[in-house]
Amino acid sequence: AQKVTQAQTEISVVEKEDVTLDCVYETRDTTYYLFWYKQPPSGELVFLIRRNSFDEQNEISGRYSWNFQKSTSSFNFTITASQVVDSAVYFCALSPVFTGNQFYFGTGTSLTVIP
Amino acid sequence: EPEVTQTPSHQVTQMGQEVILRCVPISNHLYFYWYRQILGQKVEFLVSFYNNEISEKSEIFDDQFSVERPDGSNFTLKIRSTKLEDSAMYFCASQTGGEAGELFFGEGSRLTVL
Repeated sequence: AQKVTQAQTEISVVEKEDVTLDCVYETRDTTYYLFWYKQPPSGELVFLIRRNSFDEQNEISGRYSWNFQKSTSSFNFTITASQVVDSAVYFCALSPVFTGNQFYFGTGTSLTVIP
Repeated sequence: EPEVTQTPSHQVTQMGQEVILRCVPISNHLYFYWYRQILGQKVEFLVSFYNNEISEKSEIFDDQFSVERPDGSNFTLKIRSTKLEDSAMYFCASQTGGEAGELFFGEGSRLTVL
């Protein structure tokens, strides 16, 4: 069974604070991909990152960074020096490679950055 | 930058009516998807489509739903007889190949069933 859990339903931070969004996944597949998508108030889904199960190297892109730890089945997302434009719902997703090609999304974390 | 486009952006319909949601995927992509998001909830997989046929579908995708790629560019989702619980945002997505490449989502079509 494939499952993605985002335990944080809503988070509020003050602008310029750092914030980490948690994602824990379950899969029996040994090869899979993990993703983060951003859904701003306008409703579209914006791709942020893809990570394959063999690459545990952390990634940094500007103020965004991701920490993939296979040992704890987690793929956490940190925003450094948050800005109001970061306010959105963030979804973590899992896609197994060999047992179908659908994406399994978490329930999302709604982030509000207060100016 | 190529993008997935969806029409209409919002449709209001009466229960029992048929609805067709349209999508134009990115032109060189091979895999196409429909996902649904009921307001405030997570994004749920409906169906995937490859090589002119359904490759995978979820339990949500029952006999009331169908998909079609009628002309090599459009990818449509038809709901035969809408129910109140079909009210949701419907996202079309496309993907270059099958190995879990990035899904490119359209902006969504909001369906409201009254």
